[in-house]
Amino acid sequence: GAGVSQSPSNKVTEKGKDVELRCDPISGHTALYWYRQSLGQGLEFLIYFQGNSAPDKSGLPSDRFSAERTGGSVSTLTIQRTQQEDSAVYLCASSSGSSQYFGPGTRLTVL
Amino acid sequence: AQSVTQLGSHVSVSEGALVLLRCNYSSSVPPYLFWYVQYPNQGLQLLLKYTTGATLVKGINGFEAEFKKSETSFHLTKPSAHMSDAAEYFCAVSPILTGGGNKLTFGTGTQLKVEL
Repeated sequence: GAGVSQSPSNKVTEKGKDVELRCDPISGHTALYWYRQSLGQGLEFLIYFQGNSAPDKSGLPSDRFSAERTGGSVSTLTIQRTQQEDSAVYLCASSSGSSQYFGPGTRLTVL
Repeated sequence: AQSVTQLGSHVSVSEGALVLLRCNYSSSVPPYLFWYVQYPNQGLQLLLKYTTGATLVKGINGFEAEFKKSETSFHLTKPSAHMSDAAEYFCAVSPILTGGGNKLTFGTGTQLKVEL
């Protein structure tokens, strides 16, 4: 079946602009996670959704970062007023048990 | 808090040789344990996991790992390396939660190079 998909695969933006990153999880997976992978910080957790609710937002680095999930499916991660330190690969994962399945990621470059 | 230590950011082996990638974790209670592989410009692929039961777990592509509680380790092995195994490998842990929220804490990764 179809895996986790993410769009866009690459995004280049200018400092100060807002960006939206999209994640389509595996059908039927109720849990959805966002992670960030950067050279300096490695792989770090951002936010977790169970259905449309986000019981754990502890990894969001600042209030410029927000995320939502609708219909228990698609999720959007929004970064407002992007900064150069936001440049990273943003990974989405979904799960229905203990295993998380990752999408290919969105590479964000902030100029 | 949980943490993961991967010894050796770069490991080089000859094709056909044993692969051993080390992972140690720190957790107040034994967590779930995972190994993921990442090929260039791709996402993470689950190799194997330990949740409960048999401490020696087998995964895809001939990899296996053994959970040793006394050593807080979960080392990844493969008897014979293949060129296609060249990639970055991440060890990860998550808390054991029945209601979800099993967020992963990753190690810093080990880049495996396989030489002819």
